[in-house]
Amino acid sequence: DTGVSQNPRHKITKRGQNVTFRCDPISEHNRLYWYRQTLGQGPEFLTYFQNEAQLEKSRLLSDRFSAERPKGSFSTLEIQRTEQGDSAMYLCASSLAAAGNTIYFGEGSWLTVV
Amino acid sequence: GESVGLHLPTLSVQEGDNSIINCAYSNSASDYFIWYKQESGKGPQFIIDIRSNMDKRQGQRVTVLLNKTVKHLSLQIAATQPGDSAVYFCAERGRNAGNMLTFGGGTRLMVKP
Repeated sequence: DTGVSQNPRHKITKRGQNVTFRCDPISEHNRLYWYRQTLGQGPEFLTYFQNEAQLEKSRLLSDRFSAERPKGSFSTLEIQRTEQGDSAMYLCASSLAAAGNTIYFGEGSWLTVV
Repeated sequence: GESVGLHLPTLSVQEGDNSIINCAYSNSASDYFIWYKQESGKGPQFIIDIRSNMDKRQGQRVTVLLNKTVKHLSLQIAATQPGDSAVYFCAERGRNAGNMLTFGGGTRLMVKP
């Protein structure tokens, strides 16, 4: 399978705990994106990387959220001190850098904060 | 898996009929539009895209129409099949929005056998 890979697919955590999600993009894609989706809504943009540089961050990305892409390949999204409102599906996507290139999504990581 | 879109507008069609899913976008500066299909518990799957310098684009069984005058996008699915049942989202990218896609609210398509 050469698509965008995310893990874990499901995570249940207690409020206040930290969680980390990993994304492996399509191998030749140098852009990587994180989105969040809650039930009944479309995905909302969080942040994106071009290679290892984080170029854009949404206001949705509070200071409890941090994303990294240290070697320009896989990326991690960490949520510290989780809150119940963080419960959502976290989607990773990737694309080539040229304008208009298709953005392909992974299957998402479901987070439930109890 | 979890269900996406518990309270979405729903379009119900008979298998074999054509489906038309509509989307209104808000940013007149958007220059790129995409339709995604999302099945329950899965990530969005690319269907078809269109740039703002076009008004129609066809794929396999799908056609996207873009009306920039009224900021309207539609997805037509020919000979709808049970496997087409899913939530469909349109997404737009503003000319000055970097790589941020803005998604619409989604429409659930239900195909009756």
